[in-house]
Amino acid sequence: DAGITQSPRHKVTETGTPVTLRCHQTENHRYMYWYRQDPGHGLRLIHYSYGVKDTDKGEVSDGYSVSRSKTEDFLLTLESATSSQTSVYFCAISERASKPEQYFGPGTRLTVT
Amino acid sequence: GQQLNQSPQSMFIQEGEDVSMNCTSSSIFNTWLWYKQDPGEGPVLLIALYKAGELTSNGRLTAQFGITRKDSFLNISASIPSDVGIYFCAGLTDSWGKLQFGSGTQVVVTP
Repeated sequence: DAGITQSPRHKVTETGTPVTLRCHQTENHRYMYWYRQDPGHGLRLIHYSYGVKDTDKGEVSDGYSVSRSKTEDFLLTLESATSSQTSVYFCAISERASKPEQYFGPGTRLTVT
Repeated sequence: GQQLNQSPQSMFIQEGEDVSMNCTSSSIFNTWLWYKQDPGEGPVLLIALYKAGELTSNGRLTAQFGITRKDSFLNISASIPSDVGIYFCAGLTDSWGKLQFGSGTQVVVTP
């Protein structure tokens, strides 16, 4: 199994509060991705990173920001959480764009009340 | 954006039966991936396909990259209880390694 951990695994927070989710990898893979998973929508890309300090938006990036200051860590921040951001969040990594197999972390279940 | 249509949405099968599911797209993909997700866990990669017409097996699983490059198929032979889960297809959308995922096929196996 790829060495990917996510923290926290579960979080309940109130509307309007900031939340940061962490993804940590031990594989030294260049690419990292944040997805959200909601019933009926499959996995949707929020943001991705193609190197330290290199990030870009995905399909559903509104209300989210990311940072990557080290190869192994990719942080997802909800600046002011809303109930529509209640979801399960997955981090994924891949070695390079020409080898697009992505390996997923265990997920973080976030509930915004 | 590109749409991936995955069917069926769910299937109830008896242990020992063979299972088939597919993904279709309005756009061409250069790579197709198939994942399985168990409850409460992240998706796990099953099979990767890189060439049109390619047929690849992983144990009882067989996946094919459609000739038109707009579809892919996954077959599970002789299903067993641990095949229960949600199966996702994904297509490579660009040179940054971004994937477009289908909405999943939920498989339930009854004894």
